[in-house]
Amino acid sequence: EPEVTQTPSHQVTQMGQEVILRCVPISNHLYFYWYRQILGQKVEFLVSFYNNEISEKSEIFDDQFSVERPDGSNFTLKIRSTKLEDSAMYFCASSNAGESTNEKLFFGSGTQLSVL
Amino acid sequence: DQQVKQNSPSLSVQEGRISILNCDYTNSMFDYFLWYKKYPAEGPTFLISISSIKDKNEDGRFTVFLNKSAKHLSLHIVPSQPGDSAVYFCAPKETSGSRLTFGEGTQLTVNP
Repeated sequence: EPEVTQTPSHQVTQMGQEVILRCVPISNHLYFYWYRQILGQKVEFLVSFYNNEISEKSEIFDDQFSVERPDGSNFTLKIRSTKLEDSAMYFCASSNAGESTNEKLFFGSGTQLSVL
Repeated sequence: DQQVKQNSPSLSVQEGRISILNCDYTNSMFDYFLWYKKYPAEGPTFLISISSIKDKNEDGRFTVFLNKSAKHLSLHIVPSQPGDSAVYFCAPKETSGSRLTFGEGTQLTVNP
């Protein structure tokens, strides 16, 4: 079965450094998402992306965050200047359809980001 | 954010018995409800869903019930199997948006 692939599985960075989390969505999917889960808290929506632009973002997704689909296969999340509170498991997801549909999301295994 | 609440952090059942996981929500704009399960070191995996126009959806051992007036849904697993041991998330969405709003999750343990 096709799957969403995330690399790396673990990322350790120093506070203030830039970090890029990478994802390869399922190949025929058109809608892409980032979610995160801080330890002991809920899984939270960050952003959705379609047709090379952000379609929806949460309050968490401020100017420090950006997303990009640099080629036909990768989808990245960049955090410009990491803070301690950015430490979390970051999940990438993709789907065949997006808003106003009930298409399910397929999630990757996540990247555990630790900011020291 | 208390839009979605799963009040039981954990549930333990015997193999072969029924598991019932509950979810309450407050946002009346939610009209599609998904259940995901998550094993350690993996991402959430879609399990079953229900639209607000229905009150029940069944898929094999898994049945989801929706009570719109009470803003309550439940996931029934019968018979429960040890491989069902995982964290189960309720994750509704609004038709107008693309985001899922996750509950806290319930850790289900099925004992052999």
